[in-house]
Amino acid sequence: NAGVTQTPKFRVLKTGQSMTLLCAQDMNHEYMYWYRQDPGMGLRLIHYSVGEGTTAKGEVPDGYNVSRLKKQNFLLGLESAAPSQTSVYFCASSYYAMSSGGGNEQFFGPGTRLTVL
Amino acid sequence: GESVGLHLPTLSVQEGDNSIINCAYSNSASDYFIWYKQESGKGPQFIIDIRSNMDKRQGQRVTVLLNKTVKHLSLQIAATQPGDSAVYFCAETPNQAGTALIFGKGTTLSVSS
Repeated sequence: NAGVTQTPKFRVLKTGQSMTLLCAQDMNHEYMYWYRQDPGMGLRLIHYSVGEGTTAKGEVPDGYNVSRLKKQNFLLGLESAAPSQTSVYFCASSYYAMSSGGGNEQFFGPGTRLTVL
Repeated sequence: GESVGLHLPTLSVQEGDNSIINCAYSNSASDYFIWYKQESGKGPQFIIDIRSNMDKRQGQRVTVLLNKTVKHLSLQIAATQPGDSAVYFCAETPNQAGTALIFGKGTTLSVSS
């Protein structure tokens, strides 16, 4: 299994440009998440999805949109990039294990480093 | 708002020493906690987790302690190795289905040989 993969790994944008980050997981996980990580900070949740066709806002959703058309993919879009969106973006996925008493371990991708000039 | 924080941003130890990384949380409703390790240029990796009905859980060379009275979480690494050098994050969640994790700022562990 490849786990969680992200494309692209690096990207440089000019202010006002748009782009889409792709996240894919092959673990049949229901839940997927997009986080951003800024220097010296922990991860902050942008948007998440609890299943195909559903999305929800996280802690810092402004300036981003997401879509979950297929269970294995979660897309993060920037319609008009701003320098404040320069960050490293991580996608994660998790399984639903409440019935077995499990937790919410999230598996992370390798990250996308985005610079907005 | 609720947050998860770490007491020290950096920790330096000698190879072979035991390391203790601390974390304080503020959300009383949180009942599931995870420690993640993040190496430079990589995504976070799961180390160990603990539920609120436990106060201690052990893994391979790692132990997590949970003190709900003072809302404190710690990660102990035995016989620390250079490969343990990384940023360590604690994270919390109320453990509802699909609930996202709330991460602390992280502690950078440096191991010198």
